[in-house]
Amino acid sequence: AQSVSQHNHHVILSEAASLELGCNYSYGGTVNLFWYVQYPGQHLQLLLKYFSGDPLVKGIKGFEAEFIKSKFSFNLRKPSVQWSDTAEYFCAVQTGNQFYFGTGTSLTVIP
Amino acid sequence: DTAVSQTPKYLVTQMGNDKSIKCEQNLGHDTMYWYKQDSKKFLKIMFSYNNKELIINETVPNRFSPKSPDKAHLNLHINSLELGDSAVYFCASSQGTLRDGRGYTFGSGTRLTVV
Repeated sequence: AQSVSQHNHHVILSEAASLELGCNYSYGGTVNLFWYVQYPGQHLQLLLKYFSGDPLVKGIKGFEAEFIKSKFSFNLRKPSVQWSDTAEYFCAVQTGNQFYFGTGTSLTVIP
Repeated sequence: DTAVSQTPKYLVTQMGNDKSIKCEQNLGHDTMYWYKQDSKKFLKIMFSYNNKELIINETVPNRFSPKSPDKAHLNLHINSLELGDSAVYFCASSQGTLRDGRGYTFGSGTRLTVV
């Protein structure tokens, strides 16, 4: 079955620590890839996306993600997190007209 | 100016009731969606409409019925509410069928609590 996996369910970091959230998917064809963020009590917002070109994409708020096709991965990174990055992070994969979300990773940043 | 707006933001109701959640987008997008986010934060697509035509209908109970009077609106009606329907429901919109990779614009969600 097609799936999107986020292995880290809950991550706790101190401010200024580096962040990497894993995302793996199981589709073999052409995909578009996304990371969304959901701050407490707010709606989902697009952080960044990849659909072609440079596999290292930069998004808002200092986030970046790298698409590694051979590993079916699209990991999210940030070199130095802030308390305001505390949120839920969702990886999503689009294939054709279907859109699949991972189960999310809850990030807590401790001041 | 809100791009995708859902009403109500919170909805508490008793089992067995019928309720509706409304969604409107002012982005000129032609595709709208309903997603359900359960207590474990897992997002699952329920329905998708493109130009008022249903194009995705995942396996959801037939107590859930989407209605799209025009391409700017996609309402969700739920009959005979059950405890398991408690969740946050997100409306979203996009232009086209996402082949250009633009992603979604989400509403702020409707937290439904069935008691």
